[in-house]
Parts: sequence; C-alpha cells; structure tokens
Amino acid sequence: GENVEQHPSTLSVQEGDSAVIKCTYSDSASNYFPWYKQELGKRPQLIIDIRSNVGEKKDQRIAVTLNKTAKHFSLHITETQPEDSAVYFCAAGQGGKLIFGQGTELSVKP
Amino acid sequence: DTAVSQTPKYLVTQMGNDKSIKCEQNLGHDTMYWYKQDSKKFLKIMFSYNNKELIINETVPNRFSPKSPDKAHLNLHINSLELGDSAVYFCASSPIGTDTQYFGPGTRLTVL
Repeated sequence: GENVEQHPSTLSVQEGDSAVIKCTYSDSASNYFPWYKQELGKRPQLIIDIRSNVGEKKDQRIAVTLNKTAKHFSLHITETQPEDSAVYFCAAGQGGKLIFGQGTELSVKP
Repeated sequence: DTAVSQTPKYLVTQMGNDKSIKCEQNLGHDTMYWYKQDSKKFLKIMFSYNNKELIINETVPNRFSPKSPDKAHLNLHINSLELGDSAVYFCASSPIGTDTQYFGPGTRLTVL
C-alpha cells in the first residue's frame, strides 16, 4: 500500500545550524508534497509545499527539494532558532488523500 | 476569525459509550477531512467529504460514522467506544481544486 518513510525520527541541532529531514514515498501517482510543523498540543500547520512539476521551492529559511525519479523529498531549515523546535511531518498524496510520514522531532538548542 | 474549529477540545468518556465530535470551517472550502493522531503522533486519514459527498473512506471500523450536513460542517460520531479509540482527532479542510489542507485545533479523546 501507499507508504511514506521519514528520517530521522529525532534531530538535535545547535542554534544557527541547518537541519535536514528526508522522506521517501511509494506511490508514484503522488503529485503533492506538503510539510507540516506541529508544536506540542497544537494543530499541524502547513509551512511549505511543493508540487510534482517543481524540483525546489524556497521560503525564507525553509526550502524543500523533490526528486520524482527517486521518489524522495527533503526539508531544509537554515539558521535554526529555538522556536523551530517542534515535530515536523512530511506527506505525499494526490486527489486530497495525504499519507503522512512518522514525524521528526526537531530540537534546537540555544 | 476565519478558521477550522472543533468541539469539544477534550472528551473523556467510558468504554462502550457513544460520542460525537463537531467540525466547522468558515473558509468557504469544499472538502473536509477527519484524521486520527495516535499516541506515537502518527497522523492517518480516516474520511474525506467533498461538498457533503463522501469521497475517501479509509479502513476504519464502522463504529465511526461521519456526517456532513452542509459543506461547512463535518461531524464524527463514534459508537461503542473502545480503549484503542483514545487519540487526538483532527478535522481539516481544503479549497476546491487544491490539495492544501488546513487543520483544526484537534479533539483529545480519552476512553477509560
């Protein structure tokens, strides 16, 4: 069945460093790849998304890359800040059906 | 405020009871979803409705029944609650023609 694998499950970085989270997906029909940030006790919030006709997208300190041939995509956060600490989820899907990865708990130490 | 809202925020109940969770969005979106987030934070889609019509129905026990009275509301009724139903349930919505989903604040269901 459809599956999204996300790595690492936990990531600890120093403030100012970069963080990279990687996902692979199994369904080649997937054409939409969002990333969500979830703080403790809060709702998942969309931080960036990419569609299959684009290889890279950037929004300030956040960037996402997509390799459709290899079926993997990555989230890059530069100049990390303590407020970036949260659980990050990738997802892949099409037609409104999103399959989520298992989440990455990012901790940014001041 | 334009948003996706859910009630109640917390729900504590006994095994075997029946309960409902309500979701409303005033964003003018056409599609609404229910997700379950378990204790390991795994997010899994349960149902999706487009303009009151069921379009996604994942492998969910038939004790769970969604109802969409209009395109701004999607409720979830759960019969004969079990311990394993304890989770956070999130509602989400998306505009017509896009897959971009916006989540509600969640309902934490605890079954004792």
